[in-house]
Amino acid sequence: QSVLTQPPSVSGAPGQRVTISCSGSGSNIGAGYDVHWYQQVPGTAPKLLIHANDNRPSGVHDRFSGSKSGTSASLAITGLQAEDEADYYCQSYDGSLSGWVFGGGTKLTVL
Amino acid sequence: QITLKESGPTLVKPTQTLTLTCTCSGFSLSTSGVGVGWIRQPPGKALEWLALIYRDDDKRYRPSLRSRLTIIKDTSKNQVVLTMTNMDPVDTATYYCARVGPASQFDYWGQGTLVTVSS
Repeated sequence: QSVLTQPPSVSGAPGQRVTISCSGSGSNIGAGYDVHWYQQVPGTAPKLLIHANDNRPSGVHDRFSGSKSGTSASLAITGLQAEDEADYYCQSYDGSLSGWVFGGGTKLTVL
Repeated sequence: QITLKESGPTLVKPTQTLTLTCTCSGFSLSTSGVGVGWIRQPPGKALEWLALIYRDDDKRYRPSLRSRLTIIKDTSKNQVVLTMTNMDPVDTATYYCARVGPASQFDYWGQGTLVTVSS
């Protein structure tokens, strides 16, 4: 059972917009800790997609965006492309656990 | 160019101790604010943070695994070493090392190394 809760799967057709939610609690996201998002293509290492809630590292397309509110965060992907098919993970810090926590991951399928 | 690379055994027996090394390049472990962590991923499952060490030797461990984990750094070699005792088949996973950024994000990752625990 992951500390951060994500939907197991989402899907969308090419060109559509999808969102992936990440629900936490008052000891992590709700405590003000930043949320980060990673993209993991099967068989490869995770790649940082969004850091500090809504910031894209250099080289990440602006089709990816993040937001945070209260004890939750969201990743939005617009203009879906086949290459976006991957697993997506949210991550934050938990003050009660004094450690880094991940969501259970969401598998994105491009129809 | 920042890179991290994990090395260690691919197969360990139950009850043995696992030792993994993360060799870092493109940044120094002696730089203020720098940290390196270990994250694992069992086959088909989610990412799980294990341990992290900062430049000032501040060490953090996953509470549920604290008694089995030790993380150290060798600044002269720019390496971080993780040991996990009493390995069990449930510890079979791909183990990643990653650099931690100022907002506690893991900004650079190694390629990962699959460790199988089996007799």
